[in-house]
Amino acid sequence: NAGVTQTPKFRILKIGQSMTLQCTQDMNHNYMYWYRQDPGMGLKLIYYSVGAGITDKGEVPNGYNVSRSTTEDFPLRLELAAPSQTSVYFCASSNGGLAGGDEQYFGPGTRLTVT
Amino acid sequence: DQQVKQNSPSLSVQEGRISILNCDYTNSMFDYFLWYKKYPAEGPTFLISISSIKDKNEDGRFTVFLNKSAKHLSLHIVPSQPGDSAVYFCAGGGNEKLTFGTGTRLTIIP
Repeated sequence: NAGVTQTPKFRILKIGQSMTLQCTQDMNHNYMYWYRQDPGMGLKLIYYSVGAGITDKGEVPNGYNVSRSTTEDFPLRLELAAPSQTSVYFCASSNGGLAGGDEQYFGPGTRLTVT
Repeated sequence: DQQVKQNSPSLSVQEGRISILNCDYTNSMFDYFLWYKKYPAEGPTFLISISSIKDKNEDGRFTVFLNKSAKHLSLHIVPSQPGDSAVYFCAGGGNEKLTFGTGTRLTIIP
């Protein structure tokens, strides 16, 4: 099992460009999440999904969009990149959500720089 | 509003001794608390969790204690090993979401 995979590992964007961060999990998990981690800070939830076709906003959704057309994939879209979006982005998945205290499995992260 | 706080950005502990990492929270609605460990250039990995109805959970060298009246939890690692050097995040869970603290960098001194 590969677990949670993310591509690309690194990316440099110019202000105003757009890109999609890819996330795929092979554990058949219903729940998927996108976080960002800024230096010296904890992870902040951007968007999450409780199943295919269902997405919801987290703590910091502005400037991002998501879709969940399949159980496996949960791409994160940046439409107009801004320097404030420079961060490390982590995708995660879990089996039963947090009602049962299920752990989240994280991908290795995508380091994004916007200049 | 920081709902989960880890007030010690760093901690150094001698190998073989006990490491104690602390976490405070303000949200009484958290159902679960989890600890994650993170190495550089990797995603966080799950360590241990505790339900809000319990006060202790143990898994090998790792024990998490929860004091609900003080809104405080701690992670004990005994004995500490060099491979434990990492950043540790505590998180509170509720409504299908996790709220993370800012992390504590633990360094185990050989």
